[in-house]
Amino acid sequence: GENVEQHPSTLSVQEGDSAVIKCTYSDSASNYFPWYKQELGKGPQLIIDIRSNVGEKKDQRIAVTLNKTAKHFSLHITETQPEDSAVYFCAASRTGTASKLTFGTGTRLQVTL
Amino acid sequence: DVKVTQSSRYLVKRTGEKVFLECVQDMDHENMFWYRQDPGLGLRLIYFSYDVKMKEKGDIPEGYSVSREKKERFSLILESASTNQTSMYLCASRLTGYYGYTFGSGTRLTVV
Repeated sequence: GENVEQHPSTLSVQEGDSAVIKCTYSDSASNYFPWYKQELGKGPQLIIDIRSNVGEKKDQRIAVTLNKTAKHFSLHITETQPEDSAVYFCAASRTGTASKLTFGTGTRLQVTL
Repeated sequence: DVKVTQSSRYLVKRTGEKVFLECVQDMDHENMFWYRQDPGLGLRLIYFSYDVKMKEKGDIPEGYSVSREKKERFSLILESASTNQTSMYLCASRLTGYYGYTFGSGTRLTVV
């Protein structure tokens, strides 16, 4: 089955700096890669996703890049703000009715003033 | 907005008890999932269901079962609760053909 590794496990940045979280996956047939943000006391929320026919996707201060050859994908947050502090999870899956997400172990991002 | 509602935020049960965790979604999603979340281990899939009365084992099904009698409700059952089942349990749903999940807020279960 799929295995997703995520690094780093914790990340502390100053407000305004950029943050990068990296994930690798093992199943070459995976072609859907979402990122979730989990705030304290809440369930994970989808913030951005990318499919394998796309190398990069941006949404305001958030971007995701995908390297299918190397089987890794990354989340980039620019101009970080205190409200970006949360736990971030990457995930991977094949597409199709029977698909299910395999998650990374999470990154706790702390944005300091 | 799609809502996934988990019946309890916090639950404390005794070892050996039969425990029911309930999850209801209000947007007619076919697919539903149960994950458990533990520090350093991320989210691990317990069971999932593609449609009513259908269920599939995930990566860690031992000690758990599920029930999906109605499309909107997916129940996770701990047949005989043990202390190693102390965890955060997250329910999610998804529309077939769309791959993003909507999660509930989670149930933090403590087994004593």
